[in-house]
Amino acid sequence: GAGVSQTPSNKVTEKGKYVELRCDPISGHTALYWYRQSLGQGPEFLIYFQGTGAADDSGLPNDRFFAVRPEGSVSTLKIQRTERGDSAVYLCASSPSGMGNEQYFGPGTRLTVT
Amino acid sequence: GIQVEQSPPDLILQEGANSTLRCNFSDSVNNLQWFHQNPWGQLINLFYIPSGTKQNGRLSATTVATERYSLLYISSSQTTDSGVYFCAGIQGAQKLVFGQGTRLTINP
Repeated sequence: GAGVSQTPSNKVTEKGKYVELRCDPISGHTALYWYRQSLGQGPEFLIYFQGTGAADDSGLPNDRFFAVRPEGSVSTLKIQRTERGDSAVYLCASSPSGMGNEQYFGPGTRLTVT
Repeated sequence: GIQVEQSPPDLILQEGANSTLRCNFSDSVNNLQWFHQNPWGQLINLFYIPSGTKQNGRLSATTVATERYSLLYISSSQTTDSGVYFCAGIQGAQKLVFGQGTRLTINP
């Protein structure tokens, strides 16, 4: 079956602009996660959705970052007033129920802020 | 939160060699996953292994939950095994905490 998909695969934006990154989880997976990976590092947790609600947003670095999942499937990560330090690969993952289940990752969106 | 330490950070081997990658956790974890990140950045699931031993072809993994470590074994390495290997654990909350990775290079 289809895996997790993310769009766009690459995004270049200017400092101060607004960006949206999209994640389509595996069909039927109720849990969805966003992570961020900087060069040479392991991915770091940003936010976790169970259904439509954000169950844990403790990893969001500041209030410029926001994520939604209005219908419990597709999720959008939104970054306002982008800064050069936001440049990274943003990874999305999904799992069947979120109860410690195995997580499956998408290919990521590489964000470059110039 | 938990800390995850992977060793070695870098490993260079000749094709055909065997390797062992290690992952230590600062505290107990509910679940543990091993991933291979290919050159295009895709994280590929290798094992979901909170405890015990699993094998998949040339790869196997063992997690000793009581001693807070996991090992990934790669036998008869191939050049396509090159890349970064990550382990990650979940403690309580559902977020995965990743180690820094082991960069494996297999030379022909």
